[in-house]
Amino acid sequence: AQSVTQPDIHITVSEGASLELRCNYSYGATPYLFWYVQSPGQGLQLLLKYFSGDTLVQGIKGFEAEFKRSQSSFNLRKPSVHWSDAAEYFCAVGGRTGGGADGLTFGKGTHLIIQP
Amino acid sequence: EPEVTQTPSHQVTQMGQEVILRCVPISNHLYFYWYRQILGQKVEFLVSFYNNEISEKSEIFDDQFSVERPDGSNFTLKIRSTKLEDSAMYFCASSTLGGRNGELFFGEGSRLTVL
Repeated sequence: AQSVTQPDIHITVSEGASLELRCNYSYGATPYLFWYVQSPGQGLQLLLKYFSGDTLVQGIKGFEAEFKRSQSSFNLRKPSVHWSDAAEYFCAVGGRTGGGADGLTFGKGTHLIIQP
Repeated sequence: EPEVTQTPSHQVTQMGQEVILRCVPISNHLYFYWYRQILGQKVEFLVSFYNNEISEKSEIFDDQFSVERPDGSNFTLKIRSTKLEDSAMYFCASSTLGGRNGELFFGEGSRLTVL
């Protein structure tokens, strides 16, 4: 079965500083990988996705992520965070979910706090 | 910009009562999903729906749960007899191509509190 691990429950970063959120996955084949963001009171919004090709993918709001097959990782990065980036971030892997073919498996999320 | 809408935003119910959560997916989408997030835990897949039938479901989606697309626009999740452990945020999502190839668009969620 596939799984996603986000080892950091909370991360605090100063505004303007760089950010890296970690994501490790377990999946038997080439995964389809996603990062979603959830602002307070909002639904989940897709930041970026990796299906194939270039392992460095660019997303919205200045985010990027790099797929590293050897490390089973898909870490999210941003060179300079803004106060509006404070939110919950979820990494997800696509593929079979308990026998299903369409569901995404999410990590537990990382809560990002931005310090002034 | 088209969006997935969910109602109600918050529902409080007594244990054993039936609950129906409603979703209006994006109009040209073909795949529909329900996920839930128990407070402090991860977002969990419940069920996917395509071509007017369930395509996949998780172990969580037992006989107490059902989904329906009654009128071509709404997509509902029914919990027949709620339990305390059903308290969670329930997210509806829709997609044009399905989760493996396309982006899932999520609604803002319906918070269910079972007392």
